[in-house]
Amino acid sequence: RKEVEQDPGPFNVPEGATVAFNCTYSNSASQSFFWYRQDCRKEPKLLMSVYSSGNEDGRFTAQLNRASQYISLLIRDSKLSDSATYLCVVNRAGNTGKLIFGQGTTLQVKP
Amino acid sequence: SAVISQKPSRDICQRGTSLTIQCQVDSQVTMMFWYRQQPGQSLTLIATANQGSEATYESGFVIDKFPISRPNLTFSTLTVSNMSPEDSSIYLCSVGDEVYGYTFGSGTRLTVV
Repeated sequence: RKEVEQDPGPFNVPEGATVAFNCTYSNSASQSFFWYRQDCRKEPKLLMSVYSSGNEDGRFTAQLNRASQYISLLIRDSKLSDSATYLCVVNRAGNTGKLIFGQGTTLQVKP
Repeated sequence: SAVISQKPSRDICQRGTSLTIQCQVDSQVTMMFWYRQQPGQSLTLIATANQGSEATYESGFVIDKFPISRPNLTFSTLTVSNMSPEDSSIYLCSVGDEVYGYTFGSGTRLTVV
């Protein structure tokens, strides 16, 4: 079983749609959680950190459920520019910088 | 967040040769991280580079194949040695922390022929 699992998609949605991505992680001692965005042939870029209380940044909302070892990302009012691969990333407990990446979920927003 | 300059951006190399990838950070950082992204895959950590000590390698990666230098707090190199086609990947360096997240270099796209 992979340490971080995501549905690879692709998710094909129309502009303006709301889309949700889910991610599960296997190490209950994991401490830090992130969503990264990776465009084709580019490096990953931090979209947002994920906090236990949940957090929102504009159209993006991230949630963490430690009991279920589950992370989610909600994108509201999808834009064409949101088309990318979204990576769920977990920091190993007690190991700064040792990030475990999910395989990514591909989103394609269509006009 | 830190700005990372990584080079080369891409290279095509003959099997059996070596390539050294450089990362320069615009601020001093304690740790730098090297990742590999194989075609169609997500990122995998190769090693953690600390200034003044040997790098710490993850399972499946060894120093002889991926020697790392960390001469100061703003610079690191990763060498891919004795390359084979299986080494064709994107190699990325990263810096950051658990609070503010991690920044990646733009990557080195390596093709071994």
